[in-house]
Parts: sequence; structure tokens; C-alpha cells
Amino acid sequence: EVQLVESGGGLVQPGGSLRLSCAASGFTFSNYWMSWVRQAPGKGLEWVANIKQDGSEKNYVDSVKGRFTISRDNAKNSLYLQMNSLRAEDTAVYHCVRDGDDNWNDWGTVWGQGTLVTVSS
Amino acid sequence: DIQMTQSPSTLSASVGDRVTITCRASQSINNWLAWYQQKPGKAPNLLIYKASSLPSGVPSRFSGSGSGTEFTLTINCLQPDDFATYYCQQYNSYFPTFGGGTKVEIK
Repeated sequence: EVQLVESGGGLVQPGGSLRLSCAASGFTFSNYWMSWVRQAPGKGLEWVANIKQDGSEKNYVDSVKGRFTISRDNAKNSLYLQMNSLRAEDTAVYHCVRDGDDNWNDWGTVWGQGTLVTVSS
Repeated sequence: DIQMTQSPSTLSASVGDRVTITCRASQSINNWLAWYQQKPGKAPNLLIYKASSLPSGVPSRFSGSGSGTEFTLTINCLQPDDFATYYCQQYNSYFPTFGGGTKVEIK
């Protein structure tokens, strides 16, 4: 079964750090770009960051640049998001998402259920 | 970055209606457009990719159209299971962006 399972969310104080993980299974992880997408309570979807198959290219939404770092370990079929200097506005459910391959095939077909990050004192 | 403007933000409809949701991109996205359905507490589910292609398993009452900067999601003969929130997403660039969402409510 193709699936993505996130972990690592929780309650953190403003200014704190958290590392999210995403375990992939059922497909060739190293063939795909991967993304993190978040959804604040009662709000819409927001793309946060993505990473190329070999990790050589990473992109971020402006609001997290310099604070968040996306990475991957293809040997472990895992995606990560290191979140530093967290703010209240980072409170959201964070989803791991399989993007496309080099031809953008299979775009958006696999999403994790998400892990909740709450930034509050 | 490419901005995606989705309308309407809320739509009231009845079972059996035909509904249309529009998404406008701030620049051409070469048909790299996806539509998702999301229900409360669940991850989004892909309905349409490449503007008009249906993934296997998606009912044929869902269809997508458009090109360049203007795109449409149409749901024919709305079913009870279709009351949900719908999002468009462009993936023409390496900075994919979502529309603001359309909530389809029961009239």
C-alpha cells in the first residue's frame, strides 16, 4: 500500500524548535519530489517547502525561509522538516505530500494524514 | 510567485445540481493545474490533474477544463458525498500554490 505517515508534531513554545518526519512506503521514494503542505485551523492549504529527488534543490514559501529546513534520506524512505524560531502563525496540521516525478507524473496523488503543530505559551 | 484566485469562496447547492468553481492564475501555468476535494479532518484527495485528467477511481461527474490562466471544475449531478471544500493548485513552477478554497454547502 502506498502511504505517507507523519510524526513529530506537538505543542511548542514560541521561539522553539520541532522536527517533523514522514515515512514513505509502497513506492520508490527516490523517484519523486516531495513537499510539506500545512493547514492552519479553519484555514486553507498552504504549500511550505519542497525538495528534489536527490535533495539538490529545495524551495520554501517566503514566510518560513531561514527558519525551516526540508531534507530527505532516500535510504530510509524518509522526509523531514526542521522548524526553528517557531511562531504562533506556524500552528497548523502539516502534511507530507508526494509531488511528481521528473515529468510531473502522479502529481498530488499521495498525502499523509498530517501531524498537528501547536505554537503557544 | 504565481497567485491563484479561486471563486466563489462558498457555494450553496442542492443534490442533483450542476456546480462550477473557477480558478484564475496570475500568469500562464501551461495546464499544470490540480483540483482537490477535502472533507473535515481529512487530507485532500486529488480529483483532477493536468487541468482536465481524472485519476482512476474519481467519479465521472467531476470534470476539469480551461487553459492558460482560467480553469474550471464542474460537478455534474451533485451527490451528498460531494459536500466538501475544493482547492485548486498550480504546479507549473517549483513553488506550487493553492487557491483559497471553495466550500460547497447544502442549500
